[in-house]
Amino acid sequence: DAKTTQPPSMDCAEGRAANLPCNHSTISGNEYVYWYRQIHSQGPQYIIHGLKNNETNEMASLIITEDRKSSTLILPHATLRDTAVYYCIARNTGGFKTIFGAGTRLFVKA
Amino acid sequence: NAGVTQTPKFQVLKTGQSMTLQCAQDMNHEYMSWYRQDPGMGLRLIHYSVGAGITDQGEVPNGYNVSRSTTEDFPLRLLSAAPSQTSVYFCASSYSSLAGGQGDTQYFGPGTRLTVL
Repeated sequence: DAKTTQPPSMDCAEGRAANLPCNHSTISGNEYVYWYRQIHSQGPQYIIHGLKNNETNEMASLIITEDRKSSTLILPHATLRDTAVYYCIARNTGGFKTIFGAGTRLFVKA
Repeated sequence: NAGVTQTPKFQVLKTGQSMTLQCAQDMNHEYMSWYRQDPGMGLRLIHYSVGAGITDQGEVPNGYNVSRSTTEDFPLRLLSAAPSQTSVYFCASSYSSLAGGQGDTQYFGPGTRLTVL
């Protein structure tokens, strides 16, 4: 699975969009991009995933660049409850292992 | 559904003791895995299983054993606890292990906080 790189921390004002970047420049054609988040010390929670098209669900939007070397998770209207560590993961269709990096710690401020 | 459950929630061991962390899921998921998370760090994969009777090693398997005799349960055994194994342990499960489908979404338990003195 490709290595992903994320900024260690970011701030966002409550009510504004939070844009979390992820670099996966060595991603291969059959690798999906997944996003999870971990609130405080709870178990991680799935947010969204995609292969090459942009995706949207009730939690967030995922924008993947055309060359697939990077992606952005968008929380459209961040709330204080979105303060968490966000993990970007690349996984291939035949892979059994999910490798988590250090993630981005997002602070949403009132 | 109870989802993924883990017991105990907290545990303190002395160096050299052994114990088993329990993990169970009631979603009929094939894929289960164990992670550890050290303070301020991301999760690291210890062992995983793609079905009953099938297990394999992750990134940091040394000092841990697993078995999968049923679909529902995936216990993690610490053979001889060491202070370096002080960590929070998370169990996760998903319907399948193949990336791409919604069935690949992993569901995590609440964690077991282990301290080895």
